Amino acid sequence: GAGVSQSPSNKVTEKGKDVELRCDPISGHTALYWYRQRLGQGLEFLIYFQGNSAPDKSGLPSDRFSAERTGESVSTLTIQRTQQEDSAVYLCASSLSGGRSSEQFFGPGTRLTVL
Amino acid sequence: KQEVTQIPAALSVPEGENLVLNCSFTDSAIYNLQWFRQDPGKGLTSLLLIQSSQREQTSGRLNASLDKSSGRSTLYIAASQPGDSATYLCAVGANSGYALNFGKGTSLLVTP
Repeated sequence: GAGVSQSPSNKVTEKGKDVELRCDPISGHTALYWYRQRLGQGLEFLIYFQGNSAPDKSGLPSDRFSAERTGESVSTLTIQRTQQEDSAVYLCASSLSGGRSSEQFFGPGTRLTVL
Repeated sequence: KQEVTQIPAALSVPEGENLVLNCSFTDSAIYNLQWFRQDPGKGLTSLLLIQSSQREQTSGRLNASLDKSSGRSTLYIAASQPGDSATYLCAVGANSGYALNFGKGTSLLVTP
């Protein structure tokens, strides 16, 4: 079956522009997570969705970052007024259920470069 | 805040060797621990998931152990192959929140 897919695979933007990153989870997975990986750093958690609600947004670094999810399907991460420090690989993961013990499956990521 | 450390940061071994990758975490109140591999330019592939009540998990040539009380996990790779070359990431699911807390990884190179 299909895994987690993300688009675009690469995005280059100018400082100050808004960007939207898309994630399609594995079909039937109710939980969805966004992480980012900056160069030389470990993965950082951003936000968790259970269905279309987000009970844990604790990792969003500023109010320029927002995310939404349509039902138990696609999610969009939006970064407004991008800054150079937003450059990173943004990874999406999904799991079958939202329980903390659930295995997370990751997409290939979107590499964002802010010039 | 949960801190996850992986040692060594990089490792190079000849093909056929058995090897151990180490992961330590500061808060033993965890739900689970997951090992991933990451290939250059690609996402993460889940290798093994150990629940907090378990001591180890095995998949093929891979064996992961968990000692929650001491805050340690090891990933054992038997009879390494060049195709095992990748970055291996350890991630801990804490009792609070839903995030996985990741280490920075061990970059493994297996030479023919």
